[in-house]
Amino acid sequence: AQSVSQHNHHVILSEAASLELGCNYSYGGTVNLFWYVQYPGQHLQLLLKYFSGDPLVKGIKGFEAEFIKSKFSFNLRKPSVQWSDTAEYFCAVLGGTNAGKSTFGDGTTLTVKP
Amino acid sequence: DAGVTQSPTHLIKTRGQQVTLRCSPKSGHDTVSWYQQALGQGPQFIFQYYEEEERQRGNFPDRFSGHQFPNYSSELNVNALLLGDSALYLCASSSGTGRTDTQYFGPGTRLTVL
Repeated sequence: AQSVSQHNHHVILSEAASLELGCNYSYGGTVNLFWYVQYPGQHLQLLLKYFSGDPLVKGIKGFEAEFIKSKFSFNLRKPSVQWSDTAEYFCAVLGGTNAGKSTFGDGTTLTVKP
Repeated sequence: DAGVTQSPTHLIKTRGQQVTLRCSPKSGHDTVSWYQQALGQGPQFIFQYYEEEERQRGNFPDRFSGHQFPNYSSELNVNALLLGDSALYLCASSSGTGRTDTQYFGPGTRLTVL
């Protein structure tokens, strides 16, 4: 069974600081990888996704993530965070053939101080 | 273009009761997946419906059942409610069941079991 681990439960940064949120997964086969964001009072939104090709993927709002197959990792990065990035971030992994059975991490709450 | 919609927004039930949650997928989508998100955790996959049939199921008991209608909308039914069923129930839709079909999430239904 696949699993996802997000090591940081709560991250607090000041505006303009750089961000890196860790995500490790366990699945031996081909995977699709996602980062979702949930802003306060809003629903889950797709931030970025990796299916194949260039392991460095760019998403919305200046976020990017790098897939490192040898480390089973898909860390999320942003060079300079803004107060509006305060949200909960979820990493998700889809292994196998079915799009529905995604496995999510427990999320990382990011608080950006103005 | 309406995204994924869910009803009701909030629901309060007592132990032993039954509940039905509803989901309308994003326009053009034919696949609906349901997730349970307990407080402080990531979404857990319940099941997925495509062509009015349950295609995949997560580790949830038979008390959790569902249905998909010809217009692709879906219902989640939970019988014999337990306190532990209190959670945010998320519906996600996609345009297929393949692993490259990105899921879009609704706002969720907050279920409280007393």
